Amino acid sequence: AQSVTQLGSHVSVSEGALVLLRCNYSSSVPPYLFWYVQYPNQGLQLLLKYTTGATLVKGINGFEAEFKKSETSFHLTKPSAHMSDAAEYFCAVSSDRGSTLGRLYFGRGTQLTVWP
Amino acid sequence: DGGITQSPKYLFRKEGQNVTLSCEQNLNHDAMYWYRQDPGQGLRLIYYSQIVNDFQKGDIAEGYSVSREKKESFPLTVTSAQKNPTAFYLCASSIFLGETQYFGPGTRLLVL
Repeated sequence: AQSVTQLGSHVSVSEGALVLLRCNYSSSVPPYLFWYVQYPNQGLQLLLKYTTGATLVKGINGFEAEFKKSETSFHLTKPSAHMSDAAEYFCAVSSDRGSTLGRLYFGRGTQLTVWP
Repeated sequence: DGGITQSPKYLFRKEGQNVTLSCEQNLNHDAMYWYRQDPGQGLRLIYYSQIVNDFQKGDIAEGYSVSREKKESFPLTVTSAQKNPTAFYLCASSIFLGETQYFGPGTRLLVL
């Protein structure tokens, strides 16, 4: 089965600073990679999705992520943090094999805090 | 207005009681999913359904049951066999299994 590691359960940045949230997946290349955002007591909202083609994926709210096969990474970035970005972020990968085909595997999440 | 609805928003369970969480979607999606979310553990898959009248166990199915009699609906029952049911439960759907999943607002289950 696929596995996902999000480095850093908590990340704090100042408003206007660069946001970098890290995600690494297990070595087999997954069909799809995702980032979701969750605000308190709400469901998950899709930020962006990588399928094939261009390795830099642009999402909503100014976020983007870069797929790096050699590093098995799919880190999420935003050039300038805003207070409204404070939330929990989840990286997810899809499975491409066997009995788990089509399932999503989620990282444990990174809580982003933005200081004024 | 298309989307996924979950009800109730909060649910209280007494000892030995079965409770059912509702999930409805009007997106015409074939696949539906139930996840459990605990602090610091991410999302864990309970059950999923690829199509009507079919469902499969996920990673933590013990103590839970589901049905998929209609395309739009995928209710989850938390049985008395689930000894630690307190969690946030999220329902999701996708057009087909493996495609982008869209999530409902969640139900928080608490034990009295």
